Amino acid sequence: SQTIHQWPATLVQPVGSPLSLECTVEGTSNPNLYWYRQAAGRGLQLLFYSVGIGQISSEVPQNLSASRPQDRQFILSSKKLLLSDSGFYLCAWSKRGWGPTNEKLFFGSGTQLSVL
Amino acid sequence: GIQVEQSPPDLILQEGANSTLRCNFSDSVNNLQWFHQNPWGQLINLFYIPSGTKQNGRLSATTVATERYSLLYISSSQTTDSGVYFCAVEGMADRGSTLGRLYFGRGTQLTVWP
Repeated sequence: SQTIHQWPATLVQPVGSPLSLECTVEGTSNPNLYWYRQAAGRGLQLLFYSVGIGQISSEVPQNLSASRPQDRQFILSSKKLLLSDSGFYLCAWSKRGWGPTNEKLFFGSGTQLSVL
Repeated sequence: GIQVEQSPPDLILQEGANSTLRCNFSDSVNNLQWFHQNPWGQLINLFYIPSGTKQNGRLSATTVATERYSLLYISSSQTTDSGVYFCAVEGMADRGSTLGRLYFGRGTQLTVWP
């Protein structure tokens, strides 16, 4: 079965420091990968998605970047964190292709990031 | 992008009660999913249901695509049902231009008391 791992679970960083959050998926090949952020107030916002190694699409301009160095690895980074980067970051995956067996989205356990 | 509205925003129930959560969306959809976020933040996929009706135990969901809404039914609620329920959709207009781009509603916070 497929599993998704995300770490760390919590992170407290000072303003201006760098960030690296990692996500890996096991048990599947060529997944679509996503980074979401959940700010206070519950809504989830798509930040980045990737359909393959080195292929990254950004949904909103921001202080963050994403990379996919391997097929099942997705990394969220920042060179200098801002206070507004605080939030709950969730990695997700889905199978490649359309249709009910492929389009379901599965989430990791999330990283609570506090920028102080 | 497509707009997603969920109601009610908050719901408090006694254990054993039934409830209905609603999701309205502003355009035709290819993809609609319901998720449950537990108090620890984990999001679990409940249903993939762009149309029709599905049931899984005490939970069932119905999407009336032509009228642009979906309903999630929880019967005989338990304390473990507490958390936030999200509806997420992908609009037909987005198919082909973006991949799996789900727009999330703001969720319904469900609290079930023993």
